[in-house]
Amino acid sequence: AQSVTQPDIHITVSEGASLELRCNYSYGATPYLFWYVQSPGQGLQLLLKYFSGDTLVQGIKGFEAEFKRSQSSFNLRKPSVHWSDAAEYFCAVAANDMRFGAGTRLTVKP
Amino acid sequence: EPEVTQTPSHQVTQMGQEVILRCVPISNHLYFYWYRQILGQKVEFLVSFYNNEISEKSEIFDDQFSVERPDGSNFTLKIRSTKLEDSAMYFCASSGREYNEQFFGPGTRLTVL
Repeated sequence: AQSVTQPDIHITVSEGASLELRCNYSYGATPYLFWYVQSPGQGLQLLLKYFSGDTLVQGIKGFEAEFKRSQSSFNLRKPSVHWSDAAEYFCAVAANDMRFGAGTRLTVKP
Repeated sequence: EPEVTQTPSHQVTQMGQEVILRCVPISNHLYFYWYRQILGQKVEFLVSFYNNEISEKSEIFDDQFSVERPDGSNFTLKIRSTKLEDSAMYFCASSGREYNEQFFGPGTRLTVL
């Protein structure tokens, strides 16, 4: 079965700094890959997804992610973080079912 | 903008009672899902549903759980005899194609006492 690992439980960055959230997956083929964001007390909002094609995908709110098959990774990036980006971020993999990583909590310092 | 809705937002129940969590998916979507998130933990897949039957289910989705699409709009999750460990946030989601962009509802917080 597929699995997802988000190695960083909590990341703190300064507003305006760049951000990279790591995600590694385990699956025999190339699954569908997603990043979701969850603000406190809210549901999940899709930031971006990768199914095939260009390995660099653009999402909402200025986020992008790069699929690297050789590293089984799908890291999320943003060049300049805003205070409103503080939230929990989940990487997810869909093959036979949908598996979420444990999440990375992002704190943004002023 | 179409959205997934869930009712109730918070359900409190006694251990051993049955609960039904309700979801109204986006109207032209064909695939429906339930997830749960125990407080402070990751989101866990429970079940996917298509064409009036379960497509996939996880090991969490045991005989205590069932799903139903009783009419053209609602999608329900029933827990037959709740346990303390069922306390969690339950999210419904829907998509137009399997595992394509899933739209999540705001969740139902279930508290089992």
